[in-house]
Amino acid sequence: AQSVTQLDSQVPVFEEAPVELRCNYSSSVSVYLFWYVQYPNQGLQLLLKYLSGSTLVKGINGFEAEFNKSQTSFHLRKPSVHISDTAEYFCAVSVPGAGSYQLTFGKGTKLSVIP
Amino acid sequence: NAGVTQTPKFRVLKTGQSMTLLCAQDMNHEYMYWYRQDPGMGLRLIHYSVGEGTTAKGEVPDGYNVSRLKKQNFLLGLESAAPSQTSVYFCASSYGLTSGFTDTQYFGPGTRLTVL
Repeated sequence: AQSVTQLDSQVPVFEEAPVELRCNYSSSVSVYLFWYVQYPNQGLQLLLKYLSGSTLVKGINGFEAEFNKSQTSFHLRKPSVHISDTAEYFCAVSVPGAGSYQLTFGKGTKLSVIP
Repeated sequence: NAGVTQTPKFRVLKTGQSMTLLCAQDMNHEYMYWYRQDPGMGLRLIHYSVGEGTTAKGEVPDGYNVSRLKKQNFLLGLESAAPSQTSVYFCASSYGLTSGFTDTQYFGPGTRLTVL
């Protein structure tokens, strides 16, 4: 079975500073990878996903993530954060094929942007 | 488009009571899902459906039942609520037909359920 580890439960960062939210996964087979964002009192929204091809994936709101197979990582980055980026971010993994219906989520990282 | 809507937004139950959560989507999506979100746990899949009239178990199905009588609706039922079912419940849907489960899942705003 696959699993996801988000290494930081909370990340405070000053406005306009860069940020990296870390995600590592464990799986014996190839995987699909996702980052979702949850703004306060809202449902989740897809930021970006990696299915295959280029390992650098660009998403919405200026976020990007890089798939590193050797390090089993899929870290999320933004070069300059805004107050509006304050939210909880979830990394998720699924396995291609019959099991791909099930997204396995990490426990989330709360990003707080400080003015 | 309203997207994915959930009813109700909040509910408080006593142990042993029953209730049904309603999820509706207006995007003509084939696939629908029910998740629960607990603090420090991320989201866990309860049940899912790949089309009208079909349902399947997810990671944590015990104590829940579901039905998908209409394509746009996915109901989650608790027959005898327990305090362990206190959680925030999210419904999601995805297109599904061409890309299977890799399609983007669109989430509703959630239902906060407390079982006393």
